[in-house]
Amino acid sequence: GENVEQHPSTLSVQEGDSAVIKCTYSDSASNYFPWYKQELGKGPQLIIDIRSNVGEKKDQRIAVTLNKTAKHFSLHITETQPEDSAVYFCAAEFGNEKLTFGTGTRLTIIP
Amino acid sequence: DAGVTQSPTHLIKTRGQQVTLRCSPKSGHDTVSWYQQALGQGPQFIFQYYEEEERQRGNFPDRFSGHQFPNYSSELNVNALLLGDSALYLCASSLGQSGNTIYFGEGSWLTVV
Repeated sequence: GENVEQHPSTLSVQEGDSAVIKCTYSDSASNYFPWYKQELGKGPQLIIDIRSNVGEKKDQRIAVTLNKTAKHFSLHITETQPEDSAVYFCAAEFGNEKLTFGTGTRLTIIP
Repeated sequence: DAGVTQSPTHLIKTRGQQVTLRCSPKSGHDTVSWYQQALGQGPQFIFQYYEEEERQRGNFPDRFSGHQFPNYSSELNVNALLLGDSALYLCASSLGQSGNTIYFGEGSWLTVV
């Protein structure tokens, strides 16, 4: 079936440290893996995405890695700041832009 | 360039009533998908519209229906509302092909009492 697992469910890190969130997916045919940041009362905001022909992608303090053989991908946030506090969701596309989401990670940055 | 816009932002309905939510996709996008997000959970795929037709559907009952207009905007209709339908309803837009970037609106908060 179409399944995405996400860990951890909560994560607290000291400001300036790095945060890593990991996801695994079930369908090897998936080719698109976005990450979304959701703040309280708002919709999901796309922060970075990666496609299956790429192993790693970086955008300033945010990076995503993809291991297609192992069917897992990870989000890395470096030099964390208080405004990084939010819920982060990974997702995988299972055919024609239909996304299945992970269960979310609540990230708290401790000043 | 306006992103994905949704209306209304909040609404309260009574059990058994019907509701219509609206979405305008990002400029240039032709595909609209709807998701339901219950409190504390990830979004769940309801259905997707492309070229004014429902292209694929998630595991939601027929009480959930939709429509896409020639200008690519879309409506989500829910009939015979249940308390369990209370959730954030999200609209996502994209360019209609696998692997394209998918953007979400801010959502419509529906409370059923």
